[in-house]
Amino acid sequence: EAQVTQNPRYLITVTGKKLTVTCSQNMNHEYMSWYRQDPGLGLRQIYYSMNVEVTDKGDVPEGYKVSRKEKRNFPLILESPSPNQTSLYFCASSLVTVGSYNEQFFGPGTRLTVL
Amino acid sequence: AQKITQTQPGMFVQEKEAVTLDCTYDTSDQSYGLFWYKQPSSGEMIFLIYQGSYDEQNATEGRYSLNFQKARKSANLVISASQLGDSAMYFCAMREQTSYDKVIFGPGTSLSVIP
Repeated sequence: EAQVTQNPRYLITVTGKKLTVTCSQNMNHEYMSWYRQDPGLGLRQIYYSMNVEVTDKGDVPEGYKVSRKEKRNFPLILESPSPNQTSLYFCASSLVTVGSYNEQFFGPGTRLTVL
Repeated sequence: AQKITQTQPGMFVQEKEAVTLDCTYDTSDQSYGLFWYKQPSSGEMIFLIYQGSYDEQNATEGRYSLNFQKARKSANLVISASQLGDSAMYFCAMREQTSYDKVIFGPGTSLSVIP
């Protein structure tokens, strides 16, 4: 089944304790992205990657890191989480087609609470 | 400045009636893509419909259609014959040619279908 998986789905942690949220897709998509969703703000892009070893900042990258060592995986790293990073996080992927705009496939989301 | 505007934070519609969810966007690109996603209370993000800026016809997918007015920079989602399962958050999103790798979402509209 074509899908984007994220782990964990739920996480409660404390300020300053490093964590990683994993994201994996099995559709051979070039493009992957991380978003955070907060009430009234919609989805805001954190980081994205157009291909392996190519990553760039979205609109709200502060406090986050990513890596893209393999095409299928795009982990999100919070080196020192703070309470303002409490949010719902989505990973998404899509094809990259010249001259076309492809829809994204989303993971199920990770609800993160930082105390 | 906000690039995607969804002016209706919440909407109600009677079951079996049609409803229009508004989306206006701001871009100076000639080529871009517009998307609508649905987020039910379970939290997943579901792709509904896509409209390319050069598409001459308005997009349709089953009960979903997109009322695309390029000169007015609007891309309203029309849901015909509303069903109880249509109750959800709906997000409008855009991908632009000059910043293809960035995806911009609107703040969303919460739709409630009344029996």
